[in-house]
Order: sequence, then C-alpha cells, then structure tokens
Amino acid sequence: SQKIEQNSEALNIQEGKTATLTCNYTNYSPAYLQWYRQDPGRGPVFLLLIRENEKEKRKERLKVTFDTTLKQSLFHITASQPADSATYLCALDMSDSNYQLIWGAGTKLIIKP
Amino acid sequence: ETGVTQTPRHLVMGMTNKKSLKCEQHLGHNAMYWYKQSAKKPLELMFVYNFKEQTENNSVPSRFSPECPNSSHLFLHLHTLQPEDSALYLCASSSLGTGGYNEQFFGPGTRLTVL
Repeated sequence: SQKIEQNSEALNIQEGKTATLTCNYTNYSPAYLQWYRQDPGRGPVFLLLIRENEKEKRKERLKVTFDTTLKQSLFHITASQPADSATYLCALDMSDSNYQLIWGAGTKLIIKP
Repeated sequence: ETGVTQTPRHLVMGMTNKKSLKCEQHLGHNAMYWYKQSAKKPLELMFVYNFKEQTENNSVPSRFSPECPNSSHLFLHLHTLQPEDSALYLCASSSLGTGGYNEQFFGPGTRLTVL
C-alpha cells in the first residue's frame, strides 16, 4: 500500500533563510499532491496543490516541486519568518473513487529569530 | 460562523460515558469527514459522508458511531471508549465531483481524553 515519509525530526531554520521540507511516497504517483499547515491545537489548513504533470507551483513565499521519477515533493518557504513555525503535512490525492487522501505524519518547522 | 466548526473543543470522559461530537460546515460542501489524529502519526480517516451517504468506514470500532443528518452537519457518537481512543478528533469538508480538487477544510478539532 502507498506510504508517505516526511522527516519526523523537527527542522530548525534561521529566520530569513529558505526552509525545505520533503515528502516521499513509495508506490505509484498520485494525481495531485497537497500541502497543509497545522498549528498546535488547530486543524490543518490547505496551502498548495500540485498536479502530476506540473513540476513546480508557487504562491507568494511558498514553492512546491513534484518529481514523479524520484517519487518526491519538496516544499520551500523563502525568507522564512518565526510566524512560519508550524507542522507541515503532505497528502496524496490518488483521485480514485473513494475520495481518500493519504497523509504523511508531518514535519515540525521551527524558525528561529 | 464561517468555515468548519466543532464542539466541544475539549472533552474528558470516563470509559462508561456516552458523549457526542458535533461538526458543522458553512461552506456549501457535499462531503464531510471524521479523522483521528494521534501524536506523531498521520491523520487516520474514520468516516466519509458524500451527499449524506456514508461511503467509507475504515474498520473503525463500533464504539464510534457517525451520524450525518444533512450535508452541513456531522456527529460522532462515542460510547464505552478506551484510553487509547484519546486523541484529537478532526472534522473536515470538501466539494467532490464538481470539477475541483479534493482540498479539505478542517475544523479546530476536539481534544478527547478518556480516563
């Protein structure tokens, strides 16, 4: 079955630098890959979606890449700020009939001033 | 109210209690979901309702009983829970089959503690 791996260790980044988070999957490529942000005690918030045939997607300081050969998506935050500190989740949308997303466990990002 | 709301935000219950979690979405979506989130684990999908019909039940124990009276409301009835059921329970909604993508919108969650 499809599995997702995200770095379980927290990622510490100095303010102003670019933070890069990794999402690896094991089996066949999803139709879409989604990234969410989750703050402590809150539900996840949708950030970006990238399609199978897209290499890169940008939204303000956020950039997502999708490499189906490597079975990997990278999530970048440029000019990082302490307010970007949160847990970031990736989710695979296989776009099949059961409407389920396959979730990673998330990576905690800490931006230090 | 906007988005997805959940009540209560926190719940402490004994193993013999019966309680219910409530979720309401104000986004006009046609699908609603219950997830369980435990520390450092991926979101576990429990139930999916699409147009009020339950389409998924991922081997969830019968001590969890969902109810979806209409496309805006979702309940999770709890009875005789176990301590290992302590977790954050998240409700989400999305629009399915409308040509868009399955982005999900989440409520703030109910932090459940079973004593």
